[in-house]
Amino acid sequence: NAGVTQTPKFRILKIGQSMTLQCAQDMNHNYMYWYRQDPGMGLKLIYYSVGAGITDKGEVPNGYNVSRSTTEDFPLRLELAAPSQTSVYFCASSPGPYNEQFFGPGTRLTVL
Amino acid sequence: KNEVEQSPQNLTAQEGEFITINCSYSVGISALHWLQQHPGGGIVSLFMLSSGKKKHGRLIATINIQEKHSSLHITASHPRDSAVYICAVKDGGGADGLTFGKGTHLIIQP
Repeated sequence: NAGVTQTPKFRILKIGQSMTLQCAQDMNHNYMYWYRQDPGMGLKLIYYSVGAGITDKGEVPNGYNVSRSTTEDFPLRLELAAPSQTSVYFCASSPGPYNEQFFGPGTRLTVL
Repeated sequence: KNEVEQSPQNLTAQEGEFITINCSYSVGISALHWLQQHPGGGIVSLFMLSSGKKKHGRLIATINIQEKHSSLHITASHPRDSAVYICAVKDGGGADGLTFGKGTHLIIQP
């Protein structure tokens, strides 16, 4: 099993550009999460999903959108990138809300 | 909203020392997670606990629900234990994700 995979590993965007961060898992987990990690700060929840077709906002959703058309995939869309979105983004999955979470390797995004 | 505090923020120790990292939180939880973030950035789950104590190899995690406090211990520390250790909590209800502490940066010198 590959576990949780994320692409790309690194990306540099210009202000105002858009992009999609990809996340996939092959463990048949219903729950998937997007977090961002800023220097010196704890990870913060952006969006989460409890199953295909169901998504909800986390603590810091502004400037992002998500979709969940399949159990495996949970892409994160950035529209009109801003320097404040410079961060490391982690995708995670779990079988349920009270289980261990499995993390992807992260995507380092810089917006200039 | 839960507030998660970790101490110390940074810790440098010599190989072989007994290490303790502390985590406190402000609101009752359903579970507490200890995670390890490698120097390369990857995050792995070490423990998930809701009461008592768990042990895995040289790592021990304890939690005191009444005091809203958890500790992560490393026995016979080794340079390969150098990493950031992150405490995270799952609030009692809802399907949303974890609330994280800022992490403890541990360096074990040979």
